Amino acid sequence: GQNIDQPTEMTATEGAIVQINCTYQTSGFNGLFWYQQHAGEAPTFLSYNVLDGLEEKGRFSSFLSRSKGYSYLLLKELQMKDSASYLCAPRRENSGAGSYQLTFGKGTKLSVIP
Amino acid sequence: DVKVTQSSRYLVKRTGEKVFLECVQDMDHENMFWYRQDPGLGLRLIYFSYDVKMKEKGDIPEGYSVSREKKERFSLILESASTNQTSMYLCASSADSEKLFFGSGTQLSVL
Repeated sequence: GQNIDQPTEMTATEGAIVQINCTYQTSGFNGLFWYQQHAGEAPTFLSYNVLDGLEEKGRFSSFLSRSKGYSYLLLKELQMKDSASYLCAPRRENSGAGSYQLTFGKGTKLSVIP
Repeated sequence: DVKVTQSSRYLVKRTGEKVFLECVQDMDHENMFWYRQDPGLGLRLIYFSYDVKMKEKGDIPEGYSVSREKKERFSLILESASTNQTSMYLCASSADSEKLFFGSGTQLSVL
């Protein structure tokens, strides 16, 4: 089964740093994705972690601890355009089928204020 | 750039109608997915396919079926639409073990 938990909403100030946490319980875990979704648009890929540790990509970084079932997305130097929902998505491998599927958390709606 | 195209942006149907939602991708991806997204519930996986003519149930397959006759096309079928199937439907595709690319979505209203 799957259980994914992330905060529903967060507010942060332009130029600041914000950390969005995600905990998960995923059988057959095989990596974790973060997606960004602006209102009325489709989700777009932000980052992917399969090994423990930090992956840095410009202003965005993502961390994974497999043993703790925990990940976070770190956004630095916040800009107004970062106001969006951020979706945590653990991937699991389907046993015997050789296929993968992503299950998404409900998302964290981030509001960046001046 | 990968392109995932969903045939309609908005669709209005009547209860009991048979509804087809079409999705086409142009990157020769093996895997295709159908999700629905509802406020407060997030994205939920309906069905997915990892090869032509192959399909697997996701977390909420009840009331839906799918068809994948060609690699580039994945169709979602609502055999008899009901009001609780009013939702935003998102199609996605991926190569093996890779990230998902999403279409723009179809907002379906069932009256």
